[in-house]
Amino acid sequence: GAVVSQHPSWVICKSGTSVKIECRSLDFQATTMFWYRQFPKQSLMLMATSNEGSKATYEQGVEKDKFLINHASLTLSTLTVTSAHPEDSSFYICSARDGTSVETQYFGPGTRLLVL
Amino acid sequence: GQNIDQPTEMTATEGAIVQINCTYQTSGFNGLFWYQQHAGEAPTFLSYNVLDGLEEKGRFSSFLSRSKGYSYLLLKELQMKDSASYLCAFMDSNYQLIWGAGTKLIIKP
Repeated sequence: GAVVSQHPSWVICKSGTSVKIECRSLDFQATTMFWYRQFPKQSLMLMATSNEGSKATYEQGVEKDKFLINHASLTLSTLTVTSAHPEDSSFYICSARDGTSVETQYFGPGTRLLVL
Repeated sequence: GQNIDQPTEMTATEGAIVQINCTYQTSGFNGLFWYQQHAGEAPTFLSYNVLDGLEEKGRFSSFLSRSKGYSYLLLKELQMKDSASYLCAFMDSNYQLIWGAGTKLIIKP
């Protein structure tokens, strides 16, 4: 089946630094990628939807200047958490569609971010 | 508006059967999904129902009633490895997934 990878899987950083998370579709072209955030014991919260070559669409309440999303190619999307603070500590998950069916999303393994 | 609801936690015994319910409300509907999520991992796809009825896949079955805004996931012959959170999600008219908070399933020997 289709594979989506994320890097890094774990990151610990100091408050005020920026962190970049990569999401790659390894064996298919991802026309659409999604970025989710999940706090402990809560469900996935969609942060933004990105289509290759165009600006991301952010969900209400998500600061686009703080969470920079770049979908530069059909196999790579990046999420940069700028000036991270402890409240940004969370589990960040990306998923991707290959464009063949709207109901199919392939999830990455997630990136756990801890901001000290 | 849109909302989706499922129980927070359920407990079952190894070898038994458990049914996890999910109710939803939405004006636009493009299918109902069930995902399994182990602690610290991303969700993995279990099932997708877009028409009414029961879909069986091995030990797992999923049911949908669109008129009632209701779905359930049925797990048979429970194994310890089935201990996980089970997420219900529907796809709205914009083909966006709306997620439930998840049901934590605890399996006891």
